[in-house]
Amino acid sequence: EIVLTQSPGTLSLSPGERATLSCRASQSLSSSLAWYQQKPGQAPRLLIYGVSTRATGTPDRFSGSGSGTDFTLTISRLEPEDFAVYYCQQYGTSPQTFGQGTTVEIK
Amino acid sequence: QVQLQESGAGLVKPSETLSLTCTVSGFSISSGYYWGWIRQPPGKGLEWIGNIYHSGTTYYNPSLKSRVTMSVDTSRNHFSLKLSSVTAADTAVYYCARLSSSGGVGYWGQGTLVTVSS
Repeated sequence: EIVLTQSPGTLSLSPGERATLSCRASQSLSSSLAWYQQKPGQAPRLLIYGVSTRATGTPDRFSGSGSGTDFTLTISRLEPEDFAVYYCQQYGTSPQTFGQGTTVEIK
Repeated sequence: QVQLQESGAGLVKPSETLSLTCTVSGFSISSGYYWGWIRQPPGKGLEWIGNIYHSGTTYYNPSLKSRVTMSVDTSRNHFSLKLSSVTAADTAVYYCARLSSSGGVGYWGQGTLVTVSS
């Protein structure tokens, strides 16, 4: 099973700042990596798939990048609604697996 | 608009079988896509349980495979999950979902909390 390790566990930032979230895989991935946003009491929402393709409705301040084993989700300028938990997921190798999540909290 | 809604018992006794159904509206399951179940223990991360295609083809997480059964009923436009021999470790919010053809999970149900307790 591919293990995804997200860092940092918590990111404390202010609105308007840039957020950089990391996802490292235990083995090389193809382009089968997605990012999700989850707010309290809600289901996750797909933000990015295929490493860097924004899902329908994802604002362009969200961008994904990376290759091999290292991937990054960047939020260029944090809006109040962006404070949430973010998960990466690999779906190219069964079983699909998720990272443990990064919490982006208001500083 | 595709919508998914989980239903089933919210409290299950240890050693018994958890049963959930996901009713889909706004899209016909028989038209395609993989449909799946994902769970999230309280305060923890996400765990993929498995996927099912409209034909009935299934893919299960090996860590749960011996206890999981998924099925699909295209006439009722729903699919189901059964998890046997449950323990407290199976307490979680269970989400049903539709996998995107491009990758990732494009549609999620609202989730239903299942508690395993006597």
